[in-house]
Amino acid sequence: GAGVSQSPRYKVAKRGQDVALRCDPISGHVSLFWYQQALGQGPEFLTYFQNEAQLDKSGLPSDRFFAERPEGSVSTLKIQRTQQEDSAVYLCASSLEKKAGYTFGSGTRLTVV
Amino acid sequence: AQKITQTQPGMFVQEKEAVTLDCTYDTSDQSYGLFWYKQPSSGEMIFLIYQGSYDEQNATEGRYSLNFQKARKSANLVISASQLGDSAMYFCAMRSLSNFGNEKLTFGTGTRLTIIP
Repeated sequence: GAGVSQSPRYKVAKRGQDVALRCDPISGHVSLFWYQQALGQGPEFLTYFQNEAQLDKSGLPSDRFFAERPEGSVSTLKIQRTQQEDSAVYLCASSLEKKAGYTFGSGTRLTVV
Repeated sequence: AQKITQTQPGMFVQEKEAVTLDCTYDTSDQSYGLFWYKQPSSGEMIFLIYQGSYDEQNATEGRYSLNFQKARKSANLVISASQLGDSAMYFCAMRSLSNFGNEKLTFGTGTRLTIIP
């Protein structure tokens, strides 16, 4: 597609529920990133894929967070047993080359109640 | 480790005036890239401008220019002739170009810019 597409746009989860957030990057973009943005803060890195390989997952805050990109295109970020501190906007970005900047999606706003 | 510092939480600027948003950074890498993004209320991060650490000239993109002072480790964004549509959050970010595979962006805390008619 023309841009990075994320779904759902909004998600309300009860504490303890599992959620799955989807990212559809720009076709042909090799690199895909997930970021977490708390209210009033800058985005914080979660994890990064190059094609289907997860090269860096150092930003995942706990083992409840898991990301995959099995065929090197669409990616899913899964959060198990959600907690209130997981409430944030989750941004996905993709890039083709290092200097071109990353193209971000509109994000998924997760609210855990 | 990389760090981005944006010291202006909020700024108010009269329409049509120029505005400078401050950004300082810290890194041990010799080769790195600096980015500015705009985030309107809709939430999407919009790429504005890029500066490589070895680029000799300051980057410009339309009304946006980056005042890069390497020795001072600063990368301020200058917006000329501001417009009402420039009202948004602005984030400075950097990434290392030194290490293969280390492509993550490190962001600052942002500056909320409000253009006054």
